[in-house]
Amino acid sequence: AQTVTQSQPEMSVQEAETVTLSCTYDTSESDYYLFWYKQPPSRQMILVIRQEAYKQQNATENRFSVNFQKAAKSFSLKISDSQLGDAAMYFCAFKAAGNKLTFGGGTRVLVKP
Amino acid sequence: EAGVAQSPRYKIIEKRQSVAFWCNPISGHATLYWYQQILGQGPKLLIQFQNNGVVDDSQLPKDRFSAERLKGVDSTLKIQPAKLEDSAVYLCASSLDWAETVYNEQFFGPGTRLTVL
Repeated sequence: AQTVTQSQPEMSVQEAETVTLSCTYDTSESDYYLFWYKQPPSRQMILVIRQEAYKQQNATENRFSVNFQKAAKSFSLKISDSQLGDAAMYFCAFKAAGNKLTFGGGTRVLVKP
Repeated sequence: EAGVAQSPRYKIIEKRQSVAFWCNPISGHATLYWYQQILGQGPKLLIQFQNNGVVDDSQLPKDRFSAERLKGVDSTLKIQPAKLEDSAVYLCASSLDWAETVYNEQFFGPGTRLTVL
């Protein structure tokens, strides 16, 4: 079974600064996807970024980028130029066969004005 | 395009009562998922439907939880009888399809927050 671990319960960042969220996972699969989801107080999960395991290039979406280290089974998210609207819970998730998502425990991001 | 709809948004019941949640996926999405998200944790998949058939219900507590998607569109998740530990947010998601190796994005609804007293 796959497991996803987020070791940082909460991270605080100053507006316009950069914050990095950590995620590690455990799997015996070779072909899979990794995701970062944002969950604001409205509770709706919003996909931030995804990474295919077979791609060596790290994914980037505007201010969001990942550092994918397949051998180390590490998948961190960097939020650059943090904005007040970035404040939310962030979940790392793993998908292997069957489209089933396995989520980590989440990291709360606080943005200070 | 309308998103995934869920109702109710909030529900408070006493233990041993029954409760039902409703989900209407995005039009045309064949795959529907129910997740349970306990406070302070990530969502956990309870059940996955492909049209009106069950793909995965390995983490559904079948002694008290049931779910159906009779016409392959909307779905109902029921808990009977509820326990204190069932207090959680119940998220519904849908995707166009599902496959072993192809990525199909899951779109989430706003969830139903259940409180069991």
